[in-house]
Amino acid sequence: DGGITQSPKYLFRKEGQNVTLSCEQNLNHDAMYWYRQDPGQGLRLIYYSQIVNDFQKGDIAEGYSVSREKKESFPLTVTSAQKNPTAFYLCASINWAGPHQPQHFGDGTRLSIL
Amino acid sequence: KQEVTQIPAALSVPEGENLVLNCSFTDSAIYNLQWFRQDPGKGLTSLLLIQSSQREQTSGRLNASLDKSSGRSTLYIAASQPGDSATYLCAVCSNTGNQFYFGTGTSLTVIP
Repeated sequence: DGGITQSPKYLFRKEGQNVTLSCEQNLNHDAMYWYRQDPGQGLRLIYYSQIVNDFQKGDIAEGYSVSREKKESFPLTVTSAQKNPTAFYLCASINWAGPHQPQHFGDGTRLSIL
Repeated sequence: KQEVTQIPAALSVPEGENLVLNCSFTDSAIYNLQWFRQDPGKGLTSLLLIQSSQREQTSGRLNASLDKSSGRSTLYIAASQPGDSATYLCAVCSNTGNQFYFGTGTSLTVIP
């Protein structure tokens, strides 16, 4: 079955450490997104990529970095500069080639500070 | 910037009741609007997508309506069941770019 796989499901970060969240999709979608979800808040956009080797900052990109070297992969690195990284992180993709397609989501990674 | 609001934040109903969830947005220049379901600790599952030119969409016991001019959408759930308990989010896709703006969600509990 086609879908989006996020790993790991749970991740713990030590002070000063960078951690990388994985997102892989086999839907052949060009566009991929990273969102952060905090309790009582809607999803906030961190980064998005419309095509391989290209990505744009979202509303809360500070302290995060991404790469898009392959169509199916869009990893997110939470750097030590992100002072409040504890949150639920969601990866999504969409097929813009067809009109009015829904966004597809992975099952998320929950990041906590040790 | 597009702002999306969902009211109420939480809702508790007895099984079998019909209910309405509300979503409002500030910029009517939208491409489409989606309703999602989120179970605890999980990702979002798309329920219904309404194109900007449409007034409503239906899937089983779910019906979503869109009034673009007033910046409102509703999700109607008929004959609610305990399995409908989840958080429901709406998301607006703007005409100006390939971005989505999410509401904070309505947490629904259906009591058996």
